[in-house]
Amino acid sequence: KQEVTQIPAALSVPEGENLVLNCSFTDSAIYNLQWFRQDPGKGLTSLLLIQSSQREQTSGRLNASLDKSSGRSTLYIAASQPGDSATYLCAVHGSSNTGKLIFGQGTTLQVKP
Amino acid sequence: NAGVTQTPKFQVLKTGQSMTLQCAQDMNHNSMYWYRQDPGMGLRLIYYSASEGTTDKGEVPNGYNVSRLNKREFSLRLESAAPSQTSVYFCASSPDRGRSGSGYTFGSGTRLTVV
Repeated sequence: KQEVTQIPAALSVPEGENLVLNCSFTDSAIYNLQWFRQDPGKGLTSLLLIQSSQREQTSGRLNASLDKSSGRSTLYIAASQPGDSATYLCAVHGSSNTGKLIFGQGTTLQVKP
Repeated sequence: NAGVTQTPKFQVLKTGQSMTLQCAQDMNHNSMYWYRQDPGMGLRLIYYSASEGTTDKGEVPNGYNVSRLNKREFSLRLESAAPSQTSVYFCASSPDRGRSGSGYTFGSGTRLTVV
């Protein structure tokens, strides 16, 4: 059974710092992995999607990497800003016909001015 | 704006009442999903519809029913609401069960409280 874990559960950093959020999964047979952002009381916004054949994806100050063999993904945020404060969720699409996403519990990030 | 629209945004029900959560997408996606989000439990799949005309159970289907009305719309029904169904409900869609590079698009959620 696929399980997704995100560490740390919460993170507080001063503005301007570079930071890394971690996601690990137990079954390496995945189609893709997607990182989402969730603001308090809001829905999920897709940030980056990495296909199983890819090693990384970049969008602006965000870079996501994928190492299938070790069951790990990282989300790198460069030069963090207070507006980056949110919960970041990692979700894995496993090798099934359902299209079901398995989510981690999320990392809640606070960037202090 | 293209995307997934959920109604209502907020709802309070009494135990035993019924209601239907509505979801519609305008991206011509084939697959649609209902998740619930609970503190400490993350997001869990309730039901999904891989394509128009099909529906299947997810992880936590008890107490719910779904209808894929057409390609655009996928509704979630609570027949007899219970306090354990207090949660935030998200609808999502994907072109092809997430296998393409397009990923998933989520709605803004319905916050349901059952008293």
